[in-house]
Amino acid sequence: EPEVTQTPSHQVTQMGQEVILRCVPISNHLYFYWYRQILGQKVEFLVSFYNNEISEKSEIFDDQFSVERPDGSNFTLKIRSTKLEDSAMYFCASSPRRDYGYTFGSGTRLTVV
Amino acid sequence: EDKVVQSPLSLVVHEGDTVTLNCSYEVTNFRSLLWYKQEKKAPTFLFMLTSSGIEKKSGRLSSILDKKELFSILNITATQTGDSAVYLCAVETGANNLFFGTGTRLTVIP
Repeated sequence: EPEVTQTPSHQVTQMGQEVILRCVPISNHLYFYWYRQILGQKVEFLVSFYNNEISEKSEIFDDQFSVERPDGSNFTLKIRSTKLEDSAMYFCASSPRRDYGYTFGSGTRLTVV
Repeated sequence: EDKVVQSPLSLVVHEGDTVTLNCSYEVTNFRSLLWYKQEKKAPTFLFMLTSSGIEKKSGRLSSILDKKELFSILNITATQTGDSAVYLCAVETGANNLFFGTGTRLTVIP
């Protein structure tokens, strides 16, 4: 069964450093998303991406965050200057179209120290 | 403000029991309601509901949506230890994102 692949599975970084989280969505999917889940809290929407541009973003997705689809397969989330409160599990998801179930990746656990 | 509320927050049952998980919502521009099962990491998709009163079934799991009363239930019959997980309800709005509830943690004991 097709999967959304995320790397790395766990990343530890120092406060203030830049991190890039990588995702390979399912190949025929057109809609891409990033969500995060702080430990013990609910899953929160960050950003959606379609047709090579951001279609929606939440209040969490401030200027420290950016997304990119650098080639035909990868979808990345960059955090420019990490803060302690960015520590969370980051999930990538993709969907072939609107009104269709999203497939989530297994997540990247980001720990900012 | 969009809101998705799940109840109960946690539930412990014995194998073989039937459970009902609840999800109520208040959102602008509702498109669909989705149920996910989250074990260790990624939420895995269970159901997507868009129409009231139409039950969706997959094995021992079933779900139904009431768009008038703004809630959905997820039923699991003859529970097994492998059903232990956090069950997430999420509502897709016109803004093309999912708004999640906090989840119900189900523990099935042998």
